[in-house]
Amino acid sequence: DQQVKQNSPSLSVQEGRISILNCDYTNSMFDYFLWYKKYPAEGPTFLISISSIKDKNEDGRFTVFLNKSAKHLSLHIVPSQPGDSAVYFCAAGYMNYGGSQGNLIFGKGTKLSVKP
Amino acid sequence: SQTIHQWPATLVQPVGSPLSLECTVEGTSNPNLYWYRQAAGRGLQLLFYSVGIGQISSEVPQNLSASRPQDRQFILSSKKLLLSDSGFYLCAWSPGTALGTEAFFGQGTRLTVV
Repeated sequence: DQQVKQNSPSLSVQEGRISILNCDYTNSMFDYFLWYKKYPAEGPTFLISISSIKDKNEDGRFTVFLNKSAKHLSLHIVPSQPGDSAVYFCAAGYMNYGGSQGNLIFGKGTKLSVKP
Repeated sequence: SQTIHQWPATLVQPVGSPLSLECTVEGTSNPNLYWYRQAAGRGLQLLFYSVGIGQISSEVPQNLSASRPQDRQFILSSKKLLLSDSGFYLCAWSPGTALGTEAFFGQGTRLTVV
């Protein structure tokens, strides 16, 4: 039972255009969402996060949108650059709960290719 | 600043052999520590997490075990490896003050069981 789903395994975008990566979740108790970027043979690095009290968070070229009613979030990269080519993982967690509910649940990832 | 070290970077082990992967964190006290595995087509799967010395929680039943002998040391082990244990193993930490916030990952260990 996948609680965090990234239904697109890959995405190809032209340099300079917008990249939109999507993520859906099933557990309405999640109140904190994150995006990680991962290059081959390296650990994921944190990109951007959003708490459930917001619907948008922006950091430079990266913007995360959260639609709680649809249980959907997306990562927008504008403009896309070849160096953005990587696997992007969506993750969800609970900010205010302890125990096992306090850990991050990851999607399967979307491989983004930005072509020059 | 905080750093996380994970070794070895790559490992090839025969089926039935033991496993020990080590992870240490520097520059922080009482971190939450995690072991994740990235298997082909399955994303990042949480295997174990620890909120303190000797405290281990398992998320997924498997052939693996974890231990935390010191505050900033987290070890992933197996007595007998299976082919299905192959994958990319990642250690991570997060501030001990709150669970569910961003985690910081090590460089990972590529394990191939042959």
